Amino acid sequence: QVQLVESGGGLVKPGGSLRLSCAASGFTFSDYYMSWIRQAPGKGLEWVSYISSSGSTIYYADSVKGRFTISRDNAKNSLYLQMNSLRAEDTAVYYCARENTATDDAFDIWGQGTMVTVSS
Amino acid sequence: DIQMTQSPSSLSASVGDRVTITCRASQSISSYLNWYQQKPGKAPKLLIYAASSLQSGVPSRFSGSGSGTDFTLTISSLQPEDFATYYCQQSYSTPPTFGPGTKVDIK
Repeated sequence: QVQLVESGGGLVKPGGSLRLSCAASGFTFSDYYMSWIRQAPGKGLEWVSYISSSGSTIYYADSVKGRFTISRDNAKNSLYLQMNSLRAEDTAVYYCARENTATDDAFDIWGQGTMVTVSS
Repeated sequence: DIQMTQSPSSLSASVGDRVTITCRASQSISSYLNWYQQKPGKAPKLLIYAASSLQSGVPSRFSGSGSGTDFTLTISSLQPEDFATYYCQQSYSTPPTFGPGTKVDIK
């Protein structure tokens, strides 16, 4: 079935780095824009970054610009988020999500999320 | 960036009640408005896209309306599984932005 599975979260010290992965299955991954969206504990949803189907177009939220890098490997059906210079305020559950033009660019498929905790 | 607001921030309702949640955008977003349901510890689930289109598999008691800046999510008869937090989101422009959420709990 259509599925996204994130991995790579964990506990990291401020200033440290972490790389998240998202494995896609059940659909033609290379046809879709993909995003990372995060949710701090007890808070709402914050879009972090997206990447076009080919990887040629990338956008970041101002809060992560210059620190995070999104990428994808269509041959491996995988999405990545390299997070550097992590701060306490980056602590959140990170979701990967599929953006679907058939639903006016709504996020129609979400992974289960992976928790990132930034703390000394 | 387009700011999204929701009201109320929380509400208490009973099974069978009709529930309405409002979402407002800081500028016109045409019909590029989506609604999600999130239960504790789970990922959000798309309910409504393009303001009024029901996502496949979503019960027909959920409906959406509106255009421009003002939008509404309605649950016609609240069921036990509908107690959750609901978020609106605009997909009109980058960055996509979410409302702060409306928590629906049991009266």
